[in-house]
Amino acid sequence: GAVVSQHPSWVICKSGTSVKIECRSLDFQATTMFWYRQFPKQSLMLMATSNEGSKATYEQGVEKDKFLINHASLTLSTLTVTSAHPEDSSFYICSAIHRDGNTIYFGEGSWLTVV
Amino acid sequence: QKEVEQNSGPLSVPEGAIASLNCTYSDRVSQSFFWYRQYSGKSPELIMSIYSNGDKEDGRFTAQLNKASQYVSLLIRDSQPSDSATYLCAVNYNQGGKLIFGQGTELSVKP
Repeated sequence: GAVVSQHPSWVICKSGTSVKIECRSLDFQATTMFWYRQFPKQSLMLMATSNEGSKATYEQGVEKDKFLINHASLTLSTLTVTSAHPEDSSFYICSAIHRDGNTIYFGEGSWLTVV
Repeated sequence: QKEVEQNSGPLSVPEGAIASLNCTYSDRVSQSFFWYRQYSGKSPELIMSIYSNGDKEDGRFTAQLNKASQYVSLLIRDSQPSDSATYLCAVNYNQGGKLIFGQGTELSVKP
């Protein structure tokens, strides 16, 4: 079964509203999680590194005030897309590195559609 | 800028043939390399990881790594229609789980 779970799997929201996506590690503690975005027919683009108990590290070109990341516990990171616009519609995927330091698990992904 | 490059394809092979997927990366200090398979609308699933120069085999899949040439490849033997997917090459630059992905190669296996 899945060891990293995302919720919701898909969400539709109105333009201008905010939407939260959760990423949970189910049977291990993840001090670090990662958030990716994937547009159709494109590859995964790393958005940010989510660090438990501290601020997220954003990749160049990613607006930290628009994509709020909170990693309040060792098993949960959340990504909030604030004031969503249609161009934010995408597939958002999280990953977590297992405590073995080598195995990287991906969540099932969350489809966001902004209308 | 750390980069991972793949041919976007599509790569079309007949059923039973060998599919060869290639990937190059820009940062010489990279240590961990991964091949993921992604079906349309789904999250990537790990096929192979490779850390040392040479070949690593797992069933019908063989990953090859040449750090001097900064080159990683994936061979799929006896290709099946169910192998049709996008294959993503990923590099772990800092050993902390932060993966940089190539653009992916779309593979189509024709019955």
